[in-house]
Amino acid sequence: GAVVSQHPSRVICKSGTSVKIECRSLDFQATTMFWYRQFPKQSLMLMATSNEGSKATYEQGVEKDKFLINHASLTLSTLTVTSAHPEDSSFYICSARRADYSPLHFGNGTRLTVT
Amino acid sequence: AQSVTQLDSHVSVSEGTPVLLRCNYSSSYSPSLFWYVQHPNKGLQLLLKYTSAATLVKGINGFEAEFKKSETSFHLTKPSAHMSDAAEYFCVLNGRQGGKLIFGQGTELSVKP
Repeated sequence: GAVVSQHPSRVICKSGTSVKIECRSLDFQATTMFWYRQFPKQSLMLMATSNEGSKATYEQGVEKDKFLINHASLTLSTLTVTSAHPEDSSFYICSARRADYSPLHFGNGTRLTVT
Repeated sequence: AQSVTQLDSHVSVSEGTPVLLRCNYSSSYSPSLFWYVQHPNKGLQLLLKYTSAATLVKGINGFEAEFKKSETSFHLTKPSAHMSDAAEYFCVLNGRQGGKLIFGQGTELSVKP
């Protein structure tokens, strides 16, 4: 089955630093990847849609300068949380799919803690 | 407008008894529907999917779901709960080509010994 690898699984950083999270589709090419944020006991909140070779599309209320997304290849998308603050602490999950109407395949998530 | 409503935020069953997690949807298009499971601090794993073929869909780990257009429902069932089924379950709608996925709010399933 399709596998999406997300790294790191857990990261702790100091306020003001930047953190990069990688999302890789291991056995298929993903023209579109998605980044979600999940608060405790809540559903996933779509942050942005990442398209290979073009700029990401951000959801309303998501700061594009704060959450930098790069989709450098058909198998890799990265999310960089810039100048992180404690309120950015959350669980971030990426997902990818082969094509429209195909199921999403999710990474295992990254637990970000900003101290 | 498209939406997904999971009717129960929390369901508790005893091990060995049936599981029913309810999901209703609203879509102007012929929907694709999915059920995902999430264990703590993990990503989401696909349980099953409906994409306009058979209305009764069988998934992994003994789960199945039935698409009922007349009731706009896609409830998830399992005949006999196992302790390892305790997790968060999400019903997800893909309503149109190129559209975003719409997530339900999730149902937490607890399984008592």
